[in-house]
Amino acid sequence: NAGVTQTPKFRVLKTGQSMTLLCAQDMNHEYMYWYRQDPGMGLRLIHYSVGEGTTAKGEVPDGYNVSRLKKQNFLLGLESAAPSQTSVYFCASSYSWTGGYTFGSGTRLTVV
Amino acid sequence: KNQVEQSPQSLIILEGKNCTLQCNYTVSPFSNLRWYKQDTGRGPVSLTIMTFSENTKSNGRYTATLDADTKQSSLHITASQLSDSASYICVVGLTGGGNKLTFGTGTQLKVEL
Repeated sequence: NAGVTQTPKFRVLKTGQSMTLLCAQDMNHEYMYWYRQDPGMGLRLIHYSVGEGTTAKGEVPDGYNVSRLKKQNFLLGLESAAPSQTSVYFCASSYSWTGGYTFGSGTRLTVV
Repeated sequence: KNQVEQSPQSLIILEGKNCTLQCNYTVSPFSNLRWYKQDTGRGPVSLTIMTFSENTKSNGRYTATLDADTKQSSLHITASQLSDSASYICVVGLTGGGNKLTFGTGTQLKVEL
């Protein structure tokens, strides 16, 4: 019963470096999401996907790219990391827009 | 502006006691209201989801209420346990296409012996 698995769990980047966060789900969900969680703020949507091969921008998409080449995987890329991207990143998936979301355990990213 | 406000910001209670967390929202057009529990260092876990027509929903010792007229919701925890220590997040969903969830900042609950 893996649910949603995120890798890595922790990462430290230098300003300007790039990296990819991987999210994998085994529930056959169509919808997948990337959120960031910052102190004192609610989770904010970065990008989302409504199915294999589709992606769309969320509330705070700048500086991030995503890809959904396979239904079970949703990748989040940081092209040129900035200190403002220091955050905890959560991936989630759901069967439908109104259904319950299953979240991963998060990736804590620090950009120095 | 669509907002979700939760109170109190933090709360400490003794094990075995009950507590109620509040959520007020200005999100419109309303679709559903969700409560999540987030343990430290973990992702949020769904407790309840309520639509416009539902005014109460339970999940074990957790009972959520919804008053869509006043745009208020509450989460009542009965007979608290140490494992209830967590952040409780209220989330409101909008109708219409696209992902439209607005997250509150959470109430940090600590249950002590």
